[in-house]
Amino acid sequence: AQSVTQLGSHVSVSEGALVLLRCNYSSSVPPYLFWYVQYPNQGLQLLLKYTTGATLVKGINGFEAEFKKSETSFHLTKPSAHMSDAAEYFCAVSSPRDMRFGAGTRLTVKP
Amino acid sequence: GEEVAQTPKHLVRGEGQKAKLYCAPIKGHSYVFWYQQVLKNEFKFLISFQNENVFDETGMPKERFSAKCLPNSPCSLEIQATKLEDSAVYFCASSQQQGNEKLFFGSGTQLSVL
Repeated sequence: AQSVTQLGSHVSVSEGALVLLRCNYSSSVPPYLFWYVQYPNQGLQLLLKYTTGATLVKGINGFEAEFKKSETSFHLTKPSAHMSDAAEYFCAVSSPRDMRFGAGTRLTVKP
Repeated sequence: GEEVAQTPKHLVRGEGQKAKLYCAPIKGHSYVFWYQQVLKNEFKFLISFQNENVFDETGMPKERFSAKCLPNSPCSLEIQATKLEDSAVYFCASSQQQGNEKLFFGSGTQLSVL
């Protein structure tokens, strides 16, 4: 079975600071990995995904994530946080029949 | 349509009443998935469809929950005799392929059982 663990349910950064949201996965097969963002009262929006190929994946809004097989990680980063980045972020791992999400990390951006 | 449309946005039911949620997948998408998000906990997979056929229902509670995807109609998720613990946001997602490499999510239906 596949699973995802997000380390830290709440991350707080200052505007302009580095954003780092951690995600570790467990999968018996080569995984498809995703980061989604959820703004208040809205659905999920895909930020970026890794399937095969280049391990450094660039997404929307300046986010990127690196797939590290040896560490079973897929951490999400952004060099400089913006106030509009405040939201809930979900890491997910996919198999042909299922999609498992992590518990989510709430990102707060302080002025 | 170009987005997954879920209706209604909010649904309030008294305990014991029936709740029915609808989802129109993106045109051309063969796979539909239902998830339950309880507060900020993990998204619990409920059921998936390939066209009108149940693809995987391992997450569906055996009692009270049922779902359908009929041709030329929105998919539906129905909860008979709702309980307080059914209160959650229910998300529908659709995908072109079985591998759900890219799921497109709706905005969710907030179900409140009072």
